[in-house]
Amino acid sequence: GDSVTQMEGPVTLSEEAFLTINCTYTATGYPSLFWYVQYPGEGLQLLLKATKADDKGSNKGFEATYRKETTSFHLEKGSVQVSDSAVYFCALIADSNYQLIWGAGTKLIIKP
Amino acid sequence: DGGITQSPKYLFRKEGQNVTLSCEQNLNHDAMYWYRQDPGQGLRLIYYSQIVNDFQKGDIAEGYSVSREKKESFPLTVTSAQKNPTAFYLCASSGWTSAYGELFFGEGSRLTVL
Repeated sequence: GDSVTQMEGPVTLSEEAFLTINCTYTATGYPSLFWYVQYPGEGLQLLLKATKADDKGSNKGFEATYRKETTSFHLEKGSVQVSDSAVYFCALIADSNYQLIWGAGTKLIIKP
Repeated sequence: DGGITQSPKYLFRKEGQNVTLSCEQNLNHDAMYWYRQDPGQGLRLIYYSQIVNDFQKGDIAEGYSVSREKKESFPLTVTSAQKNPTAFYLCASSGWTSAYGELFFGEGSRLTVL
C-alpha cells in the first residue's frame, strides 16, 4: 500500500544552518505531496505542497521539490531560526481514496 | 476569526469511563476528521465525515464513536472499550473548495487515563 518514510529525529542544528529533512514515498499513480508543521503544543498546519512531478512548493523560506524519479519530497531551508523548532510531517494523498497518508514526523531542534 | 476549536485542551479519565471530546468549526467546511497522535508516530485516522449525518471508520475506529448532527460539530467519544486511550487527539476539517489534502487543524486535546 501507499506509505511515507521520513528521516528519524530529532534533528538538531545551530541557528543559520542549512536544513534538509528527507522524505520518500511509495504510491501508485500520481500522488500529491505535502509538508505539515506542528509547533509545540499546537495542531498541524500546512507548510507547502506539490501536486505533480517537478513542482516546487515553497513557504516561509522552506522549499520541497516533487521528484518522481527518486520518489522523494525532501524539505529544505537555507538558514534556520530558533522559531523553526517544531515537528515536520511529510504526507501524500493518492488518487485512489483521497485520504492523507502520513509519515512519522521529524522533530527539529534549533539551538541559538 | 475562522477556525477549529477543540475542547477540553487537557482531560483526565479514570479507567472504565467514557469521555467526549468536542470539535467545532466555523469555516463552513463539509468534511471533518479525527486523528490520534502518539509519540514517534504519524497521525492515525479514527473517523471522518464528509457530510452531515454520515461518517466512516478510519484505520483505528475500535473503541471510539462519533456523531455529525450539525455541519459545524463533530464530537468524538472515547469509550471504555478503547484499551489504550492516552494520546493526543486532533480534529481537522476541509472544504470542497480546498484542494485535496489541505486540512485545517484544531489545537488538539490531550487525554490521560489515570
